[in-house]
Amino acid sequence: KAGVTQTPRYLIKTRGQQVTLSCSPISGHRSVSWYQQTPGQGLQFLFEYFSETQRNKGNFPGRFSGRQFSNSRSEMNVSTLELGDSALYLCASSGTSGGPTGELFFGEGSRLTVL
Amino acid sequence: AQSVTQLGSHVSVSEGALVLLRCNYSSSVPPYLFWYVQYPNQGLQLLLKYTSAATLVKGINGFEAEFKKSETSFHLTKPSAHMSDAAEYFCAVSDRSNTGKLIFGQGTTLQVKP
Repeated sequence: KAGVTQTPRYLIKTRGQQVTLSCSPISGHRSVSWYQQTPGQGLQFLFEYFSETQRNKGNFPGRFSGRQFSNSRSEMNVSTLELGDSALYLCASSGTSGGPTGELFFGEGSRLTVL
Repeated sequence: AQSVTQLGSHVSVSEGALVLLRCNYSSSVPPYLFWYVQYPNQGLQLLLKYTSAATLVKGINGFEAEFKKSETSFHLTKPSAHMSDAAEYFCAVSDRSNTGKLIFGQGTTLQVKP
């Protein structure tokens, strides 16, 4: 069974640009969550999608957005990039209706560098 | 509000020695608790979870953790460290709201010396 796949793995952007990251969950999983990981702030929850609906959102500015498609694949977008957006962006999927009672399966992440 | 505190950003042990990584949580509701491990340039892998069944939870790779409500702790232990255990470890808490939102601690880097 294939794991969570995130693309691209590495990317470099400049300030002011926008970026779109993609996440394909484990087959059959309907919940996709996104996290930002930085050395200073650690792991922070961005948002979660379930059945194409955003069900939960962290404390990030509106420049961070996401969506989920009918096949459960998800994308997140960051507009007007700032230096502080440099981070590892992790996607996680879950097989239940959301469910930290179950396990969150993480992808290997997309490492974004903003110059 | 929930929070997690991991005591010690870096822990160093000798191979074969006891591993003890400390985690204290704060939660206004009975929590679910997790330990994840992250190897360099990889995502997070679940080691074990507490979801209100047995208070002593056994996980993968010989790790275990004990939920102590009175101490609001969920410390991770392993009797004998292996070189392959060197990684970053994260404790996380959820509020049982059945969503994909976890609150993570700042992480503890485990170094294993030969």
